[in-house]
Amino acid sequence: AQTVTQSQPEMSVQEAETVTLSCTYDTSENNYYLFWYKQPPSRQMILVIRQEAYKQQNATENRFSVNFQKAAKSFSLKISDSQLGDTAMYFCAAQGGSEKLVFGKGTKLTVNP
Amino acid sequence: GAVVSQHPSWVICKSGTSVKIECRSLDFQATTMFWYRQFPKQSLMLMATSNEGSKATYEQGVEKDKFLINHASLTLSTLTVTSAHPEDSSFYICSAHIIYEQYFGPGTRLTVT
Repeated sequence: AQTVTQSQPEMSVQEAETVTLSCTYDTSENNYYLFWYKQPPSRQMILVIRQEAYKQQNATENRFSVNFQKAAKSFSLKISDSQLGDTAMYFCAAQGGSEKLVFGKGTKLTVNP
Repeated sequence: GAVVSQHPSWVICKSGTSVKIECRSLDFQATTMFWYRQFPKQSLMLMATSNEGSKATYEQGVEKDKFLINHASLTLSTLTVTSAHPEDSSFYICSAHIIYEQYFGPGTRLTVT
């Protein structure tokens, strides 16, 4: 079974600054994927970034990057140059061979002007 | 990109009635779809896995006779909440799985009065 833990229920950041959201996970599988999803007030789940566990290189998508520490089972998300539109709930998730996604409890991020 | 739609986006029904929610993958075929439930300010809880042409697999604690799932084609899965009660009021989200990623529908808000 997989578990995902997000220890920061809420965070805030000033516009244009950088913020890091934490996530740890546990899995017994060798092949798995890790994701960060964004859920804005519209409640549409939006994929932010994906990391394949077998890849050592950290994934990057424009202003979003991850710090994937496989041995420590840590998968944090860094948002650079934060924008007001980044205000949302952020969910960390893990997926193994069963294709099921296991979500963390989420971090509510507020970007202040 | 892959688009998943849900219909209706919001439904109000009376206690004791049944309501059907549709989930469609618009531009791709999905052999596997997932149904989630999300309470306010909480994470997504997986209810069941819907496989085209076979019976759905329900997560522990989810009543399969209450939440009927049908995956009639590679682009359509339906969730029927039977004999709905106020405690079934929630936000229901579907996703369609392709390769190693899930694409989410916009969700359906169910209110049972």
